[in-house]
Amino acid sequence: DAGITQSPRHKVTETGTPVTLRCHQTENHRYMYWYRQDPGHGLRLIHYSYGVKDTDKGEVSDGYSVSRSKTEDFLLTLESATSSQTSVYFCAISAGPDRNYEQYFGPGTRLTVT
Amino acid sequence: GQNIDQPTEMTATEGAIVQINCTYQTSGFNGLFWYQQHAGEAPTFLSYNVLDGLEEKGRFSSFLSRSKGYSYLLLKELQMKDSASYLCAVRDGAGGTSYGKLTFGQGTILTVHP
Repeated sequence: DAGITQSPRHKVTETGTPVTLRCHQTENHRYMYWYRQDPGHGLRLIHYSYGVKDTDKGEVSDGYSVSRSKTEDFLLTLESATSSQTSVYFCAISAGPDRNYEQYFGPGTRLTVT
Repeated sequence: GQNIDQPTEMTATEGAIVQINCTYQTSGFNGLFWYQQHAGEAPTFLSYNVLDGLEEKGRFSSFLSRSKGYSYLLLKELQMKDSASYLCAVRDGAGGTSYGKLTFGQGTILTVHP
């Protein structure tokens, strides 16, 4: 299994508070991704990174920001959490074109915004 | 953009064969992935197709027809542990600048009965 961890695994927070989720990998993969998964919507890409300090927006990036200051860590921040951001968040990593950009997922973080 | 369709739910009997279909309409195409996701867990990689034809891997096979925008996942000798959600995902066709971005279908929940 790919070495990917996410923290925290569960979090309950109040509307309007900032929240940061962490994704940590031990595979030294260049590419990292943040998704959210909601019933009826499947997995949707929030942001992704193609290298240290190189990030870009995905399909549902509004209300989220990311940072990648080193290869192993990719942080997702909700600046001011809203109830619509209650979801399960998955991080994924990929070795890139040599491996067909296969993505391997972390265990997920269940976030509840009250 | 991408539009990916899968059946929402399917049921099958232990020991049988089941085929899960996926159709896609995309502005570009650079490969199709199938993932398995058990309830409460992370998605795990099953297969990747970029050329037309059938890829076989043990009890699981995946087929792709690029001209028809169609793929299927074939599961043989079904076991109870195969009860899970099966996700179809298409990789953007922008080559080196897509950085492996995936668009997922909503997933097909497969229930295997004894």
